[in-house]
Amino acid sequence: GAVVSQHPSWVICKSGTSVKIECRSLDFQATTMFWYRQFPKQSLMLMATSNEGSKATYEQGVEKDKFLINHASLTLSTLTVTSAHPEDSSFYICSARLAGSNTGELFFGEGSRLTVL
Amino acid sequence: GQQLNQSPQSMFIQEGEDVSMNCTSSSIFNTWLWYKQDPGEGPVLLIALYKAGELTSNGRLTAQFGITRKDSFLNISASIPSDVGIYFCAGQKDFGNEKLTFGTGTRLTIIP
Repeated sequence: GAVVSQHPSWVICKSGTSVKIECRSLDFQATTMFWYRQFPKQSLMLMATSNEGSKATYEQGVEKDKFLINHASLTLSTLTVTSAHPEDSSFYICSARLAGSNTGELFFGEGSRLTVL
Repeated sequence: GQQLNQSPQSMFIQEGEDVSMNCTSSSIFNTWLWYKQDPGEGPVLLIALYKAGELTSNGRLTAQFGITRKDSFLNISASIPSDVGIYFCAGQKDFGNEKLTFGTGTRLTIIP
């Protein structure tokens, strides 16, 4: 099956630093990837849609200058949390759809847990 | 953003029991998906439903796409310890809009 991998799986950083999270589709190409945020005991909330070769589309209330998304190739999207603060601590999960697929199935990464001190 | 309402919020059952959970929405979705999430991991797709009324099985799991396209059900038969986790439904409006809206989740715990 399609595999999506995230790196790092967990990261601890000081307040004010920037953190980059990578999302890779290992065995398929993905023209579109999605970034979600999940707080403890809550559901997944979509942050943005990452499109290969173009700007990301952000959901209402998500700061595009705070959460920088780059989708430079068909197998890699990155999320950079800039000037991270404790309230940005969360579980960040990416997902990808198989390029050319007309189904709604999305494959998810393992998630990246960010803790900002 | 919009969320789908799942019930129950949590379940405590004994091994071997059957499980039923549902997901409802105030608006129509044209694709329904069911995912399972283990602690500290991303969701894993269990079943995908594409047609109203569709009933699909995956081993001990059976899911149905409601006729009104505003709900879906997931049943797990003869539960086993590895069924423990959080189950999320997710809806997709249409193939041209790939964004998924997730349900609030159902946490399944199996009592020894």
